[in-house]
Amino acid sequence: AQTVTQSQPEMSVQEAETVTLSCTYDTSESNYYLFWYKQPPSRQMILVIRQEAYKQQNATENRFSVNFQKAAKSFSLKISDSQLGDTAMYFCAFSLSGGSNYKLTFGKGTLLTVNP
Amino acid sequence: EAQVTQNPRYLITVTGKKLTVTCSQNMNHEYMSWYRQDPGLGLRQIYYSMNVEVTDKGDVPEGYKVSRKEKRNFPLILESPSPNQTSLYFCASRLAGHQETQYFGPGTRLLVL
Repeated sequence: AQTVTQSQPEMSVQEAETVTLSCTYDTSESNYYLFWYKQPPSRQMILVIRQEAYKQQNATENRFSVNFQKAAKSFSLKISDSQLGDTAMYFCAFSLSGGSNYKLTFGKGTLLTVNP
Repeated sequence: EAQVTQNPRYLITVTGKKLTVTCSQNMNHEYMSWYRQDPGLGLRQIYYSMNVEVTDKGDVPEGYKVSRKEKRNFPLILESPSPNQTSLYFCASRLAGHQETQYFGPGTRLLVL
């Protein structure tokens, strides 16, 4: 079974600074996806960024980027120029790819607070 | 607009009173699933369905039932709710084989007294 570990229950950062959220995972498979989801106080699940395991290039979406280290099974999220609206719970998630019934496996989450 | 809807969004009930949380999607997705979110535990899958009349247990199915009589709907049934089922529930859907894009409903916050 796949597992996802987020070792930082809470983090804080000053507005405009950079912060990195950590995530490690465990799998014996080679084809999979990794995700970071944002959950603001509204509780909505918002996809921040996605990485395909077969791609060596790290995914980037505006101020959000990942550091994907496949051999180390590490998938960290970097938020640059942090904004107050980035305050949220962030979940790292994993899914095998290729099959019909593969589910999302989530980490326990990291609560990020951006301070003015 | 492509979306997953859930009803109700908030529910307070008492132990033992049967309830149903509805989930509907308008994207013709084959795969639908239910997750529950609890503090410090993240999201865990309760049940999933790969198509009409095809359902299976996820990681935490105890105390829940589901049905999939129509492709667009996937209700979650709590026949005898207990306080340990107080949680935030999410329905999600996607196309079969397309794990890269999952659509989540807005969530249902349930309090069982």
